Amino acid sequence: DIRMTQSPSSLSASVGDRVTITCRASQGIGNYLAWFQQKPGKAPKSLIYAASRLQNGVPSRFSGSGSGTDFTLTISSLQPEDFATYYCQQYYIFPLTFGGGTNMEIK
Amino acid sequence: EVQLLESGGGLGQPGGSLRISCAASGFTFRDYAMSWVRQAPGKGLEWVSTVTGSGGANIYYADSVKGRFTLSRDSSKNTLSLQMNNLRADDTAVYYCAQDRNSYGSGGIDSWGLGTLVTVSS
Repeated sequence: DIRMTQSPSSLSASVGDRVTITCRASQGIGNYLAWFQQKPGKAPKSLIYAASRLQNGVPSRFSGSGSGTDFTLTISSLQPEDFATYYCQQYYIFPLTFGGGTNMEIK
Repeated sequence: EVQLLESGGGLGQPGGSLRISCAASGFTFRDYAMSWVRQAPGKGLEWVSTVTGSGGANIYYADSVKGRFTLSRDSSKNTLSLQMNNLRADDTAVYYCAQDRNSYGSGGIDSWGLGTLVTVSS
């Protein structure tokens, strides 16, 4: 199985900050990488697929990059509604696997 | 607009069975792969199972549910179902129905349902 390792597992940031979350795959997955946002008590929301393609309706302050084994999610200027937990997921091969999540909190 | 509405969650006994379903609308159901993803209380997301679309019969399971859970789809009713047998306490989770971007299951999850809670306890 492909192991997805996210870092950091949690971070504190302020409105307006630029933040980056990293996701590393245990083997190459091309660009078969998605990012999801989840708020407490809510379903996940799709943000990015194919490593860098923005889901319709997602603000342009979100961006994704990377290929192979190393990927990043960047939020260029944090907004109050962005404080949530973020997950990466590989869909290169079954079993599909998720990273452990990054909990983003307000500083 | 894509809508995925899960139902059938509730309390199940250890060793017992439950069936959860997902009613899909807003897209051509048969053309897309569909999945279940679960989340145990306070934990992260865990993929459970995927069925391919467009008449394909490929079904994939996580090792943790293989041999106990059975995924099926009824394209005449636009419904995805998960039959869960021999339930265990660690099956307790919110179960989300999810639509893939293509029929093969290689497009990534596009849309999510709201989830249904399954609790396994005596």
